[in-house]
Amino acid sequence: SQKIEQNSEALNIQEGKTATLTCNYTNYSPAYLQWYRQDPGRGPVFLLLIRENEKEKRKERLKVTFDTTLKQSLFHITASQPADSATYLCGASMDSNYQLIWGAGTKLIIKP
Amino acid sequence: DSGVTQTPKHLITATGQRVTLRCSPRSGDLSVYWYQQSLDQGLQFLIHYYNGEERAKGNILERFSAQQFPDLHSELNLSSLELGDSALYFCASSVQGAPTDTQYFGPGTRLTVL
Repeated sequence: SQKIEQNSEALNIQEGKTATLTCNYTNYSPAYLQWYRQDPGRGPVFLLLIRENEKEKRKERLKVTFDTTLKQSLFHITASQPADSATYLCGASMDSNYQLIWGAGTKLIIKP
Repeated sequence: DSGVTQTPKHLITATGQRVTLRCSPRSGDLSVYWYQQSLDQGLQFLIHYYNGEERAKGNILERFSAQQFPDLHSELNLSSLELGDSALYFCASSVQGAPTDTQYFGPGTRLTVL
């Protein structure tokens, strides 16, 4: 079955360093990948979307890559800050499909 | 604030009961999505409506049903509730429901079944 996998273990990063989160997909060829941020008890908030024909997308301190060979997306936060601590969700979709398939999310903890 | 509203914020009920969760999408958005999020699972897609019509169905139990009304608000009905239905239920909306649409999530309804 189609599956989106994110590292279920929390990622601890020192403030100022780059945090890198991984999203892998299997039995699936998404055309789009989206990344969302979710704070405890709140709804997810959209961050970035990347298309399969785009290698990389940037927004301020955020960067997303899409590698169709490795079937993987990487999400980077540069110059990380404690305020970046949250759970980050990866969602995938196709042109023929009206739903996002979600990973379980990775909890990011930025330590001062 | 995403512009999506959900009521109630919290709901505590007993097994076997029926509840209705309500969602109002952002102004101008035609699509509404419902998701279930449990502690040990990620976001589980339940159902997607576009302009009153069902567009996609996910892992929605037969005990659950949803509807989108002419004013575009949506309701999720959960019946014969079980302990395992305890979860956060999110509604999201988007402009057209296209795969590239940004989904705007509401604050969620926390359902506790005792």
